Amino acid sequence: AQTVTQSQPEMSVQEAETVTLSCTYDTSESDYYLFWYKQPPSRQMILVIRQEAYKQQNATENRFSVNFQKAAKSFSLKISDSQLGDAAMYFCAFTAGAGSYQLTFGKGTKLSVIP
Amino acid sequence: DGGITQSPKYLFRKEGQNVTLSCEQNLNHDAMYWYRQDPGQGLRLIYYSQIVNDFQKGDIAEGYSVSREKKESFPLTVTSAQKNPTAFYLCASSSPREGINEQYFGPGTRLTVT
Repeated sequence: AQTVTQSQPEMSVQEAETVTLSCTYDTSESDYYLFWYKQPPSRQMILVIRQEAYKQQNATENRFSVNFQKAAKSFSLKISDSQLGDAAMYFCAFTAGAGSYQLTFGKGTKLSVIP
Repeated sequence: DGGITQSPKYLFRKEGQNVTLSCEQNLNHDAMYWYRQDPGQGLRLIYYSQIVNDFQKGDIAEGYSVSREKKESFPLTVTSAQKNPTAFYLCASSSPREGINEQYFGPGTRLTVT
């Protein structure tokens, strides 16, 4: 069974600064995908970024980027130039490769953005 | 606009009553899912369905039931057997045939049972 661990229940960042959220996972699968989801106060889950395990290059989406360390089973999210709208719960999630239906979530990190 | 709708946004029930949460999608996705979210917890999978007329239990299926009679719809019934039904419920869908199980979520239903 897969597990996903987010060791930082809460974090804060000054507006315009950079913050990194941590995520580690445990799996015996060789083919898998990792995601970061954002859940703002509206509670709508929004996909922020995804990483395919077979890709060595770290994924980037505008101000969001990941540091994927496959050997260490680490998948951190970096938010650059933080904005007030980035304040939310962030969840790391894992799914095994093609044909897998299950998505395993971490418990989340609550990010506050200080004006 | 394509998306997932859940209704109602807030639902209140008395203990001992069954209640059904609605989930509809127009994304033409084959797979649909129900998750439960509690404070301080991640999302936990209740049930999922890969295709019409088929569904599988997730990690916390006890006290819940589902049906999948149409591709677009995947209603969840919270039965009186569910010991702690008060929670936030999220529905999701995906199209695993495209090679990756990237799930899209609805806005959720907050269920309060007293």
